[in-house]
Amino acid sequence: EEQLVESGGGLVKPGGSLRLSCATSGFPFSSYSMNWVRQAPGKGLEWVSSISTTSTYIYYADSVKGRFTVSRDNAKNSVFLQMNSLRDEDTAVYYCAREVGIVGGTYDLWGQGTLVTVSS
Amino acid sequence: DIQMTQSPSSLSASVGDRVTITCQASHDITNYLNWYQQKPGKAPKLLIYDASHLETGVPSRFSGSGSGTDFTFTISSLQPEDIATYYCQQFDNLPPTVTFGGGTKVEI
Repeated sequence: EEQLVESGGGLVKPGGSLRLSCATSGFPFSSYSMNWVRQAPGKGLEWVSSISTTSTYIYYADSVKGRFTVSRDNAKNSVFLQMNSLRDEDTAVYYCAREVGIVGGTYDLWGQGTLVTVSS
Repeated sequence: DIQMTQSPSSLSASVGDRVTITCQASHDITNYLNWYQQKPGKAPKLLIYDASHLETGVPSRFSGSGSGTDFTFTISSLQPEDIATYYCQQFDNLPPTVTFGGGTKVEI
């Protein structure tokens, strides 16, 4: 069964750091670009970051650029999101998602999400 | 950046009703438009990709249409299990950006 499982969320103070992980199984991980999408409590979906198959192409939303770093380990079938200088507005459920499509940008498999709460 | 305007933000309909949601892009996005369903406490689920293609395993009562800037998502006969929030999402390649619509909460 194809699966994405996020971990690493929790409560952190403003200015703090957190590292999210997304463990995958059931599909050839190294063949897919991966993304992070977040959802603030009671709000809509916001794309955060994407990373290509060999980490050559990495992109971030303006709201997290310079503070978040995405990476992947194809040997461990995992993708990561290092979040630094966290702000209250980063509070959200963070989902990892598999990207498909001829030109990309379509997310056909999602994890269950991990909650990040930034609060003093 | 491309803005996505989704409407309505919420709607109430009866079982068996035809439900229509629209999404308008601020610029031409050809057919780079997807639709997702999200039930409370769950991850989003892909329903329609490239504006009109039904994802494998998704019931045929769901459909999508449109191109350019105007897109429509339709549930032909609303079922109780369709209660959810629906999001449109666009993808722009140059540079790669992804934008979701604000969502439409569908209630019975």
